[in-house]
Amino acid sequence: GAGVSQSPRYKVTKRGQDVALRCDPISGHVSLYWYRQALGQGPEFLTYFNYEAQQDKSGLPNDRFSAERPEGSISTLTIQRTEQRDSAMYRCASSSPGGANTEAFFGQGTRLTVV
Amino acid sequence: EDQVTQSPEALRLQEGESSSLNCSYTVSGLRGLFWYRQDPGKGPEFLFTLYSAGEEKEKERLKATLTKKESFLHITAPKPEDSATYLCAVQARRSGAQKLVFGQGTRLTINP
Repeated sequence: GAGVSQSPRYKVTKRGQDVALRCDPISGHVSLYWYRQALGQGPEFLTYFNYEAQQDKSGLPNDRFSAERPEGSISTLTIQRTEQRDSAMYRCASSSPGGANTEAFFGQGTRLTVV
Repeated sequence: EDQVTQSPEALRLQEGESSSLNCSYTVSGLRGLFWYRQDPGKGPEFLFTLYSAGEEKEKERLKATLTKKESFLHITAPKPEDSATYLCAVQARRSGAQKLVFGQGTRLTINP
C-alpha cells in the first residue's frame, strides 16, 4: 500500500484479555517501529525490527508485551492479560535506513481501550 | 540517556504573526533530528530531517535550523491551516540505537 496501515483502528477489550495489533509497513521498508502515545504527549518507543530481527525491545513496559515480524513485513504487537493502564494509542512506523534519508512514516494508529 | 524537551508546550498566534518553536536535545552522537506535524486524530507527518549543526531546511512557511544543542522551527506569516502539534525527535548515531526519541510536542494554534 501507499502508507503504513494499522488494524484495527479501535479496539475495546476487557481487562485480562489478550489483544493483537497489526501493522503493515510501506512496501520495501526494512525497519518497523512500535510506539505508544498518550494524549498530549509525544510517541514513546516500544520496540523496532530490521527485517524480521527484533533489534531493540528496551521500551516494552513488561513481559506482557511482545512483538514479532516473522517474514520481515507485517508485524504484530501482542499484549497479554491486558490492564487498564495499557489503554493508549499504539502507533507503528516504518523506514528504509542506510541511505541519506532515515525518516520514519507513521500509520494512523490503533486506539486501545481496556475496560 | 537521550532526551528531547520542546517549548513552549502551547502557542497561540494571530494569522500572519511569525514565531519560533524550540527543541532542546541531549544525545550521545546525533545521527539526525526530525520534525513532524501531527493533526488531531492522525499519525505524525514527516516534515524535515537535519543532520549537522548549521543545517537549515525550508518548506512553505516553515524553516528548521539546527545547532549542537537545539533546533528551531520558524513559522513565517502562519495561516490557520498551520495549526497542529509539532513534534521533534532525535536519533542517535551509535550502533543499535535506531529508535526515535520524541519530545512532548508544541501545540500551535493560529487564529484567523
